[in-house]
Amino acid sequence: KQEVTQIPAALSVPEGENLVLNCSFTDSAIYNLQWFRQDPGKGLTSLLLIQSSQREQTSGRLNASLDKSSGRSTLYIAASQPGDSATYLCALRGNSNYQLIWGAGTKLIIKP
Amino acid sequence: ETGVTQTPRHLVMGMTNKKSLKCEQHLGHNAMYWYKQSAKKPLELMFVYSLEERVENNSVPSRFSPECPNSSHLFLHLHTLQPEDSALYLCASSQEGWASGELFFGEGSRLTVL
Repeated sequence: KQEVTQIPAALSVPEGENLVLNCSFTDSAIYNLQWFRQDPGKGLTSLLLIQSSQREQTSGRLNASLDKSSGRSTLYIAASQPGDSATYLCALRGNSNYQLIWGAGTKLIIKP
Repeated sequence: ETGVTQTPRHLVMGMTNKKSLKCEQHLGHNAMYWYKQSAKKPLELMFVYSLEERVENNSVPSRFSPECPNSSHLFLHLHTLQPEDSALYLCASSQEGWASGELFFGEGSRLTVL
């Protein structure tokens, strides 16, 4: 059974630092993996989608990588800003077309 | 603006009320989803519609009744809910097919059952 783990559950760093959020999974047979951010009381915003055949995706200050052999995806945030404070979730799609397996999220706080 | 609009954003209802949540997507997607997000729990998939047919139904109590009249609209009808049903209900859509499946979410409907 596929399991997705995000560690740490919470992270607080000073503004300007580069940081890495982790997403680990137990079964390498995935279709794609998606990173989201969620602000308190709001919906989820899609950040990056990595297909199974890809190694990384970039959008602005964000870079997501995928290493299926090690069961790991990372979200790299460069030059962090207070506006990056949110909960970051990863979710992957396995063999079933519509089921996503979700991590519990990492709550990120960027201190001014 | 994600292209997925949910109304109402907030809803308070008693256990004997009947209400509905509405979701509309303007992205031309062919699949729509209802998720439940409770405090300190992972997202729970409730229902999935693809091409207006229900393709996933994850053992959701019958007091939740989905309706998908067309590929752009999705409803969640609520009847005789329980206080534990209080949560954030999220609608999402995606385009299913080759190399697809990126989900786009609405802002959610915060439901409180008294």
